[in-house]
Formats: sequence, structure tokens, C-alpha cells
Amino acid sequence: AQSVTQPDIHITVSEGASLELRCNYSYGATPYLFWYVQSPGQGLQLLLKYFSGDTLVQGIKGFEAEFKRSQSSFNLRKPSVHWSDAAEYFCAVGPQGRSTLTFGKGTMLLVSP
Amino acid sequence: DAGITQSPRHKVTETGTPVTLRCHQTENHRYMYWYRQDPGHGLRLIHYSYGVKDTDKGEVSDGYSVSRSKTEDFLLTLESATSSQTSVYFCAARQGMNTEAFFGQGTRLTVV
Repeated sequence: AQSVTQPDIHITVSEGASLELRCNYSYGATPYLFWYVQSPGQGLQLLLKYFSGDTLVQGIKGFEAEFKRSQSSFNLRKPSVHWSDAAEYFCAVGPQGRSTLTFGKGTMLLVSP
Repeated sequence: DAGITQSPRHKVTETGTPVTLRCHQTENHRYMYWYRQDPGHGLRLIHYSYGVKDTDKGEVSDGYSVSRSKTEDFLLTLESATSSQTSVYFCAARQGMNTEAFFGQGTRLTVV
């Protein structure tokens, strides 16, 4: 079955430390891939996207993500986390040639002082 | 918000009553989506539209219907609200299958 998995429900990172959030998908062909962020009480904001080409993509707020076809993964990274990065992060997948857009269950990022 | 407006933003309704949520977009996006967000479940797709009068079911469509009579409006109707439909509902829209989706601010619906 087609699916999007974010294995970590919660992650706590110290301010200034590096961050990696995991996302794995299960689709027949390489889908379109997205990372969104949601602050409490807000809608979702796009951080970055991957459609094709360079497998390392840069996004807003200093985030980047790397697409690894062999691992069916699209992990989100940031070299130095700021307290304002505390939020919930969602990986999303849009299969090529299809209208649907499927989200993972999200990872809540907590930033400790 | 890329011109996506949801109304109402908050609603409390009684079990068994019909409820309609509205999503309005101003960017002429072709695709529109309704999701519900619940703790531990992330965002689950209820229904989506790929054009005027063209809609299809998502993974949690039971108890919901949608209509899209104009490009800019996508309505979600709960024919007879139940407590299990208490949730935060998000509308999203995008131009094409290979573009990102933009989200509204959400509607918090409570069914008592």
C-alpha cells in the first residue's frame, strides 16, 4: 500500500544543535516530495519541495532535505536549530500523475535551551 | 495563505445537524483538498477536486460530501454531524500535480 511514514512522533533538540527529521515513502515511482511546518494554531507552510534533479534541496529558514531513491527517503535537516523552529513538521507525497497529496503523521520538534 | 480563506474559523454544532464548511481561493488553482487533522493522525484526506464538478474520495470520506460548482469555491458538508467529526479541518489548493499546495488557516469544528 502507498504510504508516508514519519517514524518519530516527538524529537527534542538542544538549541544550536543539528536536526534531522526522517520521512520514508512507499510508492512505485519517485513521487513529488514536500516538507511543511505548522506552528500551533496555524496552517501549514511549505519549507521545501523535490520534483527532480539535484537530490539535495534547499528551503526556507535554513532547512534542507536530501532525496535518496535507494532508501525511499526524504529527510529534513538543519545544521543549527533555533528556539523558533519548535513546531510540527509534516512530510507529504504527491504521486506522479495523480491528484492526491498524502501527509505523514507529523513529527513534533521541541527545542530545549 | 496564498489567497485561501476558510469559513467559518470556529463552529460548535449539535449531533445530527448538517454543517457546511467553505473554502475560497483567489489564485485559480485547479486542485483543491479537504483534510482533517487529529492528534496522532496527522492530516488525512477527506475529499479532493481536480476541476469544477470533478471530485473524488480520500481515505476518510465516510460521512462527508463535497461540491465544487466554481473554480474558487470548494464546500465540505457533514450531512449529519457526529462527535467523531470533531476536528480541525484544513483546505488546500494547488495549480498542478507537480506544484506545492497552499493551505488555509483551518476550521475548528466541535460537535456536541
